[in-house]
Amino acid sequence: EVQLVESGGGLVQPGGSLRLSCVASGFTFTDYWMSWVRQAPGQGLEWVANINQDGGEKYYADSVKGRFTISRDNAKNSVYLQMNSLRAEDPAVYYCARDAWMQYYDLWGQGTLVGVSS
Amino acid sequence: DIQMTQSPSSLSASVGDRVTITCRASQTISNYLNWYQQKPGEAPKLLIYAASTLQSGVPSRFSGSESGTDFTLTISSLQPEDFATYYCQQSYSHFRSFGQGTKLEIK
Repeated sequence: EVQLVESGGGLVQPGGSLRLSCVASGFTFTDYWMSWVRQAPGQGLEWVANINQDGGEKYYADSVKGRFTISRDNAKNSVYLQMNSLRAEDPAVYYCARDAWMQYYDLWGQGTLVGVSS
Repeated sequence: DIQMTQSPSSLSASVGDRVTITCRASQTISNYLNWYQQKPGEAPKLLIYAASTLQSGVPSRFSGSESGTDFTLTISSLQPEDFATYYCQQSYSHFRSFGQGTKLEIK
């Protein structure tokens, strides 16, 4: 089955860290750019970061640049989001998405919830 | 960064109505514009890519068009399952961006 499955969400204190994982299956992972997209409670979609097929190109939203790091392990068909220095504005459902032909997100995971609270 | 401005932010309509949602890009993005549908508690679903190409499996009542930096999503005859939130998204830049969303509600 073609799917993306995220994990790693949870509740952390402000300033804390969390690492999200997304495991891909059912398709050739190395053919695709991958992205993280988040959605704060009751809010719209916000692109967070993306990474190319070999991990050599990465781009970040200004809101997370310098705090979050996207990476991938093609041997494990996985993409990660290391989130450091978490802030009150970071709580959201974080989705992993497949970037088909660098044009559109045609496959999404179910999302993983991140909370930040003291 | 490319800003995407959607309108309206919310819309009330009835089953069978024709509805149009608009998205404007802050600069040229060619046809690198996609539309997604999201229902509560679910991940977004791709409806249209490259401004006007219907994703496989999406009903033909959905259509997209472009005029310069203005893009339109049209639902020709609303069905009960179409009440959801719709987002546009540009893929012209590596720095992706979404519109703020349009919530389509039942009148």
